[in-house]
Amino acid sequence: SQQGEEDPQALSIQEGENATMNCSYKTSINNLQWYRQNSGRGLVHLILIRSNEREKHSGRLRVTLDTSKKSSSLLITASRAADTASYFCATDDNQAGTALIFGKGTTLSVSS
Amino acid sequence: DAGVTQSPTHLIKTRGQQVTLRCSPKSGHDTVSWYQQALGQGPQFIFQYYEEEERQRGNFPDRFSGHQFPNYSSELNVNALLLGDSALYLCASSTGFSGPYNEQFFGPGTRLTVL
Repeated sequence: SQQGEEDPQALSIQEGENATMNCSYKTSINNLQWYRQNSGRGLVHLILIRSNEREKHSGRLRVTLDTSKKSSSLLITASRAADTASYFCATDDNQAGTALIFGKGTTLSVSS
Repeated sequence: DAGVTQSPTHLIKTRGQQVTLRCSPKSGHDTVSWYQQALGQGPQFIFQYYEEEERQRGNFPDRFSGHQFPNYSSELNVNALLLGDSALYLCASSTGFSGPYNEQFFGPGTRLTVL
C-alpha cells in the first residue's frame, strides 16, 4: 500500500522559477524523506526531515513538515533544466525496521 | 567511496523462469532493502536484510526470496516469473536495522523485462 501521495502529479515551469511539490501521508511517522529520480534510474536522496522538525534546508531545497496535517512540501528555488526529474516522498511505517513507503511521485519539467 | 551497486543493469526473461539480482551496499552500510518499481509508480518495499536475516517483508509472495552474505551484499531471487514482475528493481542500503532516522541510499536499479 502507498502512504505518501504527492501533489501535483506533474509540474512544468521555466528555468529560474520556484517549484513546490506537496506530499500527504496517512499514519504517524518517525521521518519523511524526499528523493529524486531521473529517467527511471536509481533514486537520489535529497533530504530527511524528522518528525520533531518543522523545516530543513539543503542548498536550493527547502522542506517543511506539518505532522498535524500529515503533510510535507518540497520547494526547489531558482530551478534549472537539470532539476527535471520525478520527485518522491517516502515515509517510514513507524514500526520496527526502516522500510520506506513511497507515493507515486511528482514529475517536474523545467524548460530553458 | 563507492555507492550502492547493482547487477545486471538490464535483464530479459520469459514467463516461468527464475532470476537472481545482485546488490552491493555502500561502504560502511550493513542493511540492504529491496524495492520493486513498476512503470509510473513509486517503489514498493519487498524485504529488508540485516545480519544475514530477513527482518522485514512487504506484501510480496513467496516467489520473492533473498539472501544477505557476510560482506553485507545481497541477492534477490524471483521464481516462476510472471509478466507482472516486469519492473525496475532497486536496492537500498543503510546502517542499522533499528534506526528510523537512517537515510537510505539507492543503487541504479536492474530493469527486468518478462516476456
